[in-house]
Amino acid sequence: DAKTTQPTSMDCAEGRAANLPCNHSTISGNEYVYWYRQIHSQGPQYIIHGLKNNETNEMASLIITEDRKSSTLILPHATLRDTAVYYCIVSEAGGTSYGKLTFGQGTILTVHP
Amino acid sequence: NAGVTQTPKFRVLKTGQSMTLLCAQDMNHEYMYWYRQDPGMGLRLIHYSVGEGTTAKGEVPDGYNVSRLKKQNFLLGLESAAPSQTSVYFCASSYRGQGVYGYTFGSGTRLTVV
Repeated sequence: DAKTTQPTSMDCAEGRAANLPCNHSTISGNEYVYWYRQIHSQGPQYIIHGLKNNETNEMASLIITEDRKSSTLILPHATLRDTAVYYCIVSEAGGTSYGKLTFGQGTILTVHP
Repeated sequence: NAGVTQTPKFRVLKTGQSMTLLCAQDMNHEYMYWYRQDPGMGLRLIHYSVGEGTTAKGEVPDGYNVSRLKKQNFLLGLESAAPSQTSVYFCASSYRGQGVYGYTFGSGTRLTVV
């Protein structure tokens, strides 16, 4: 699986958009970009994933560059409950692949009042 | 719909003791996984299973054994616990590959080996 690079930590004001970047320059054509988050002491929570196109769901938006070498997770209106470690993961998915997730250090997002 | 349930939630073991961690999922997922997380680190894959009766080694399998006798259950065993196995253990499950919803994780088992 391709490796990812994320900033160690970021801050965001409550109510503002949080934009979390991720570099994955060695991503291959069949690898997806996944985002998970882990709120203190809890199990990780799936947020969103994408292959080529931008994606949006009720939690967040995922913007993937045209060359697929980087992506940005956007939380449109951050709340205090969004304070967590955010993991960007590149992984094969679907078909017969078991879709192993390799978690790096992630980005600690702190949302301030 | 409980999702992924891990038991026990907390446990203290003495060095050399054995124990089994139970993971149960009610989503009819094919794949199940055991991860460990040490302080300040990401999750590391211990073992995984792509179906009933099949298991495979992950990134850090030494000192652990697993079994998947039923589709809904994935057991993680420590035959002779060591202090280095003090960690938080997370179980996860997914449809084949990752599917639309990715992995679903349990709430974790906090294990201390003294």
